[in-house]
Amino acid sequence: NAGVTQTPKFQVLKTGQSMTLQCAQDMNHEYMSWYRQDPGMGLRLIHYSVGAGITDQGEVPNGYNVSRSTTEDFPLRLLSAAPSQTSVYFCASQETGGTEAFFGQGTRLTVV
Amino acid sequence: RKEVEQDPGPFNVPEGATVAFNCTYSNSASQSFFWYRQDCRKEPKLLMSVYSSGNEDGRFTAQLNRASQYISLLIRDSKLSDSATYLCVVTPYSSASKIIFGSGTRLSIRP
Repeated sequence: NAGVTQTPKFQVLKTGQSMTLQCAQDMNHEYMSWYRQDPGMGLRLIHYSVGAGITDQGEVPNGYNVSRSTTEDFPLRLLSAAPSQTSVYFCASQETGGTEAFFGQGTRLTVV
Repeated sequence: RKEVEQDPGPFNVPEGATVAFNCTYSNSASQSFFWYRQDCRKEPKLLMSVYSSGNEDGRFTAQLNRASQYISLLIRDSKLSDSATYLCVVTPYSSASKIIFGSGTRLSIRP
């Protein structure tokens, strides 16, 4: 059982480049979310989705877009990468709100 | 004020010791509470849920104090393998689709 799969695991971008971080889950979970984790700051919510076709902003949405066209996939797009977006990104899924969150292995992104 | 606050530590304790962390939350209507464990450079994983009456899982005990708005985690007979960062997680009632993480408490167990 794959659970939550994130790709890529590592990425280096130049300032101004765009890219998409992929996230897929095979547990038929309705809820999916993206977090970034910076040293000493814990996990901060970027965007989340409560089902296909529904997305909403989290705590730090600026510079990121998401879409949820299927239950399984929740890609995160960086529109124009900036050094401040250097971070570790985690995708998570939950069966419903208030239940256990399952995380992908993370994407370590460096913007130079 | 942050929605969920934790002492960042690090807590450095000898093997076999008992260690406890607290986590405070600001939203009195919060509904669900959890402790997650995160190993270095890995994804967070659920350690245990926290129930109103308190609950125990082996050497780990979690408690909820709604009146004072905090949850706690007690680790007895600590092992070297308990070294990790422990994240407090809260689901606010008004936003049941979101979960809020504390910044984590680092625990290091020494031989």
